Amino acid sequence: DIQMTQSPSSLSASVGDRVTITCRASQSVNSNYLNWYQHQPGKAPKLLIYAASSLQSGVPSRFSGSGSGTDFTLTISSLQPEDFATYYCQQSYSTPPTFGQGTKVDIK
Amino acid sequence: QVQLQQSGPGLVKPSQTLSLTCAISGDSVSSNSAAWDWIRQSPSRGLEWLGRTYYRSKWYNDYALSVKSRITINPDTSKNQFSLQLNSVTPEDTAVYYCARGRHFLDYWGQGTLVTVSS
Repeated sequence: DIQMTQSPSSLSASVGDRVTITCRASQSVNSNYLNWYQHQPGKAPKLLIYAASSLQSGVPSRFSGSGSGTDFTLTISSLQPEDFATYYCQQSYSTPPTFGQGTKVDIK
Repeated sequence: QVQLQQSGPGLVKPSQTLSLTCAISGDSVSSNSAAWDWIRQSPSRGLEWLGRTYYRSKWYNDYALSVKSRITINPDTSKNQFSLQLNSVTPEDTAVYYCARGRHFLDYWGQGTLVTVSS
């Protein structure tokens, strides 16, 4: 299985901050198969970014993704109150699809 | 607009079988371009993919190794839904279970079902 490791595991930030979350794969992942999700308590996870850098329909443009090979990044350019959540990367390049352990973003 | 509606019990006794159903609207379980996945989330494990079913001229299943001996995912074309059965559950199977539509990403999710394994 491809292991996905996110860093940091948690972070505290203020509204308006720029936030960067990294995701490292244990082996190279075709960037077409690297996705990011937002998960808020009591809600279903929400697809934010697919294919490493493509913004899912309806997702605000302050979210962006980049990377290739084994290293990928999710950036929130200006954190908003509704962005406090846990973020997960996921590879769907090989079976089984695997998730990172999550990065919890909370209020400083 | 695709919608997934989950149903099933929220409490299962140890050693028994967890059974959940996911009803699909706005797409077909027999779609040649989608897969139908089950994922669970717990504080200790985060998001864990469990398995999927999909149709590509015939039916296929993929399962996570961690549950492969205990899991069955079945499509029901007459009702346009798919189901999860997890046998011999233990308290470690306590989690929120989600169904989702999968392609190269999981773009539509069910509402989630908290399943507690307890006597």
